[in-house]
Amino acid sequence: AQRVTQPEKLLSVFKGAPVELKCNYSYSGSPELFWYVQYSRQRLQLLLRHISRESIKGFTADLNKGETSFHLKKPFAQEEDSAMYYCALGPGANNLFFGTGTRLTVIP
Amino acid sequence: DVKVTQSSRYLVKRTGEKVFLECVQDMDHENMFWYRQDPGLGLRLIYFSYDVKMKEKGDIPEGYSVSREKKERFSLILESASTNQTSMYLCASSRQGSRNIQYFGAGTRLSVL
Repeated sequence: AQRVTQPEKLLSVFKGAPVELKCNYSYSGSPELFWYVQYSRQRLQLLLRHISRESIKGFTADLNKGETSFHLKKPFAQEEDSAMYYCALGPGANNLFFGTGTRLTVIP
Repeated sequence: DVKVTQSSRYLVKRTGEKVFLECVQDMDHENMFWYRQDPGLGLRLIYFSYDVKMKEKGDIPEGYSVSREKKERFSLILESASTNQTSMYLCASSRQGSRNIQYFGAGTRLSVL
């Protein structure tokens, strides 16, 4: 069965520091991984997906099949990055399966 | 720009009431979804629909039903609300070929007293 684990419920970093939000998944097939973000008082929205291999708002995420991970990284955190981040797994033709989320706080 | 509109931002209902949550999208998306969002539990899929009049159970369908009479509208129904259904409910939609690129509504915070 598919599973997404985000081990940190809360993560605080100082502005300008690197940030890494961890995501591990469990799935026997070929996974499709996503990061969704919810800023304060805004709706949940797609941040990035592994297949596009792009950087969005300075964030990148690399799919590591060996470690079954899809960690979200940014070299220099900004205050506007404070938000709730969800990792999601979209296995094959099935629906998205979300992790429990990590609330990131960037301290000025 | 995709717009997913949920009819109510906040709802307060009493135990045993029948509750309707409405969701409308304006981008002609085939797929529509209902999730509940709870702290520490993330988003959990209640029901989804990939076409008019079609519906499929998600991970936690018990106590809920849905209706999709028109392509743009997807309704979540709580037949007899209970206190454990107090939650934030999110509606989402996506295109047929990009099922997992989902666009979300602002959410309805339902309190069942």
